[in-house]
Amino acid sequence: QQQVKQSPQSLIVQKGGISIINCAYENTAFDYFPWYQQFPGKGPALLIAIRPDVSEKKEGRFTISFNKSAKQFSLHIMDSQPGDSATYFCAACYEGNTPLVFGKGTRLSVIA
Amino acid sequence: EAGVTQFPSHSVIEKGQTVTLRCDPISGHDNLYWYRRVMGKEIKFLLHFVKESKQDESGMPNNRFLAERTGGTYSTLKVQPAELEDSGVYFCASSQGGGSYNEQFFGPGTRLTVL
Repeated sequence: QQQVKQSPQSLIVQKGGISIINCAYENTAFDYFPWYQQFPGKGPALLIAIRPDVSEKKEGRFTISFNKSAKQFSLHIMDSQPGDSATYFCAACYEGNTPLVFGKGTRLSVIA
Repeated sequence: EAGVTQFPSHSVIEKGQTVTLRCDPISGHDNLYWYRRVMGKEIKFLLHFVKESKQDESGMPNNRFLAERTGGTYSTLKVQPAELEDSGVYFCASSQGGGSYNEQFFGPGTRLTVL
């Protein structure tokens, strides 16, 4: 049973456009929702994270929208750039230093 | 400051052989995690050390996998004997101790191919 479902599997966006990746989770006990960005040959790196007590968090061009009642959260990348081309993973975990539960990942390609 | 390092970066072995993966976490990080990504699937948790103790090993697939963390520093993950389904990318991550949510820093991974 997959606890965090991520879509789409792949995404192609024009430079300057908005990239949107969606995730849904099952377990209401999850308390922390990070997004990781991974470039080829590198490990995942934390991009932005949110807790369920807020509905939105913005850092530069990256925004997380969180809908607790629907158990969904999404990543929006504004003004997408070719350098944003990477694989993005949503994740969830419980409070404390607990293991991350990942979605399957979205391969984003931003074309000029 | 050095990040999380993993060795080797790639390993190709035959079914039935033994492989040992190594992870060096960020200095001072009490928490060390092992994850695995099989092609096309999600990154899955294997186990979690706090210092030298196994905090959670619920993700270990079977007793062919053995993890150790010597003196609370580096960690090794041994697969013996390796099977075809063990192929994938093995990631190590570390985080500071204490607090509610400490960022997990990932290494570049070890790509294991079992033939």
